[in-house]
Amino acid sequence: KQEVTQIPAALSVPEGENLVLNCSFTDSAIYNLQWFRQDPGKGLTSLLLIQSSQREQTSGRLNASLDKSSGRSTLYIAASQPGDSATYLCAVRTGSGNTGKLIFGQGTTLQVKP
Amino acid sequence: EAGVVQSPRYKIIEKKQPVAFWCNPISGHNTLYWYRQNLGQGPELLIRYENEEAVDDSQLPKDRFSAERLKGVDSTLKIQPAELGDSAVYLCASSSSGQGPANYGYTFGSGTRLTVV
Repeated sequence: KQEVTQIPAALSVPEGENLVLNCSFTDSAIYNLQWFRQDPGKGLTSLLLIQSSQREQTSGRLNASLDKSSGRSTLYIAASQPGDSATYLCAVRTGSGNTGKLIFGQGTTLQVKP
Repeated sequence: EAGVVQSPRYKIIEKKQPVAFWCNPISGHNTLYWYRQNLGQGPELLIRYENEEAVDDSQLPKDRFSAERLKGVDSTLKIQPAELGDSAVYLCASSSSGQGPANYGYTFGSGTRLTVV
């Protein structure tokens, strides 16, 4: 059974710091991995999608890496800003094509202090 | 392009009452998902549709939950009767099966926050 774990559960940093959020999964047979952001009381916003054949994806100040063999992904946030404060969720997709489902970690709640 | 639209945004009901949630996926997305997110947890899949067919409903509590996706577009999720433990955020998502690196990514709606009192 696939399990996704995110460490740390919560993180508080001063503005401007670079930071890394970690995600690990137990079964390396994934189709892709997706990082989401969730603001309080809101739905999920997709940040980055990494296909199983890819090693990393970048969008602005965000960079996500994927190491399937070790069952790990990291989300790197450069020069953090107060507006980055939110919960970050990692999810792996099992199955190929349009089958399978997303299995989520519990999230890392980030607070960036001005 | 409109995203995944859900309604209502919030719902407060008394236990044992029925409740229904509605979802309109992104146009052309043939796969639709309903997830439930408890406080402080990641979302968990309740049911997945391929067009109008429910292909994975193994985690749907079928004694009180039901769902439908008529014509393979909009979907409704119903709870009858609701219990206190059903309080959660109910999220709808959709994805496409086309080609390209951007596909198979999920797009989520804003969710419906249900409070059962």
